[in-house]
Amino acid sequence: GQQVMQIPQYQHVQEGEDFTTYCNSSTTLSNIQWYKQRPGGHPVFLIQLVKSGEVKKQKRLTFQFGEAKKNSSLHITATQTTDVGTYFCAGNNNNDMRFGAGTRLTVKP
Amino acid sequence: GAVVSQHPSRVICKSGTSVKIECRSLDFQATTMFWYRQFPKQSLMLMATSNEGSKATYEQGVEKDKFLINHASLTLSTLTVTSAHPEDSSFYICSAIQGNEQYFGPGTRLTVT
Repeated sequence: GQQVMQIPQYQHVQEGEDFTTYCNSSTTLSNIQWYKQRPGGHPVFLIQLVKSGEVKKQKRLTFQFGEAKKNSSLHITATQTTDVGTYFCAGNNNNDMRFGAGTRLTVKP
Repeated sequence: GAVVSQHPSRVICKSGTSVKIECRSLDFQATTMFWYRQFPKQSLMLMATSNEGSKATYEQGVEKDKFLINHASLTLSTLTVTSAHPEDSSFYICSAIQGNEQYFGPGTRLTVT
């Protein structure tokens, strides 16, 4: 079945440094979604990517969807302490959605 | 954005008892809701897809007789953990889709003693 792999598992950065998390799917996806989960909270939808090669930006966050629609990345420029949390990707293939393991980001002020 | 609520937020029960968790879409109708389970510091694991007016679709390895799902209306789905055991202790999260976005409930932390 479909598998979604996400790396790294953990990332600790100094405030102001950049951060990137990557997702790879074993199958071609119809779309991929990204979520952020703060410690003790629930996942919050960030964005959905649908088109091959799509790039979307939300302030300091840049989301990319690969040309083959099998991989995606989330890049945060100049991290802030408010960026702390776990970032999950979720790949969707024919209404079969699978979450990546998540990347736990900690930011040192 | 859309709001999904869950009740209770926390529950402690004794081994062998059953616990019902409610998931409600507050300002929209959801013909489909999803139930997830999340272990500490781990990803979300889809347990089942709850369909209004019909039987839920369970993921492989999830016992449908243990995790009873009822989606009686367009705004309410319930998950009942029957004969709970300590290994069922976990964080249970529901979600519903509106448009292209999936909205998660705040989750229910179940502790079975």
